Amino acid sequence: ETGVTQSPTHLIKTRGQQVTLRCSSQSGHNTVSWYQQALGQGPQFIFQYYREEENGRGNFPPRFSGLQFPNYSSELNVNALELDDSALYLCASSFGSRITGELFFGEGSRLTVL
Amino acid sequence: DAKTTQPNSMESNEEEPVHLPCNHSTISGTDYIHWYRQLPSQGPEYVIHGLTSNVNNRMASLAIAEDRKSSTLILHRATLRDAAVYYCIRGGSGAGSYQLTFGKGTKLSVIP
Repeated sequence: ETGVTQSPTHLIKTRGQQVTLRCSSQSGHNTVSWYQQALGQGPQFIFQYYREEENGRGNFPPRFSGLQFPNYSSELNVNALELDDSALYLCASSFGSRITGELFFGEGSRLTVL
Repeated sequence: DAKTTQPNSMESNEEEPVHLPCNHSTISGTDYIHWYRQLPSQGPEYVIHGLTSNVNNRMASLAIAEDRKSSTLILHRATLRDAAVYYCIRGGSGAGSYQLTFGKGTKLSVIP
């Protein structure tokens, strides 16, 4: 177990709705990254938060947004949900913004958009 | 663009060694090579990473070619618990050093 917890584990939304996913990082870590994993694919980087600031972003539209709190936990918000947003959303925690060591992943939040 | 090439799938017998290959011919001198694995219904799990020389840990060994254009993850004795998708990832450098770019990985099946 990595110590990274995500909630909720499963949720179902309809097209056009908004969703908020939450992640608690491992103790001592100051960086949270979010990844989207569609069925049968590898995870795709959404963005990284380092010391409460967005530090890098993948190829995702602005309706994907995030926050990091002073305790380094994080939220991923997705507005105007589309069917293609159905995926497993993974949070990963680490220390420092550059990946030179291990990322600790949570078990993910599975989002289904109908 | 995952920037690594792996076989789609491999099979191994239980308790035998497994060699999982990965090509990363465009790797730069500062890119780390990371390996993660993902068991069904779980998030990715770190296995090992390295830069130039071979690396060992309690889970596996990583053999890196001298020209760094390829690497091999070695599981010394496969168990049923090792059945997973294994991702070889070329760590980003410079402006991309904050993200891991996953490909589709190699699905390893372990036969009892």
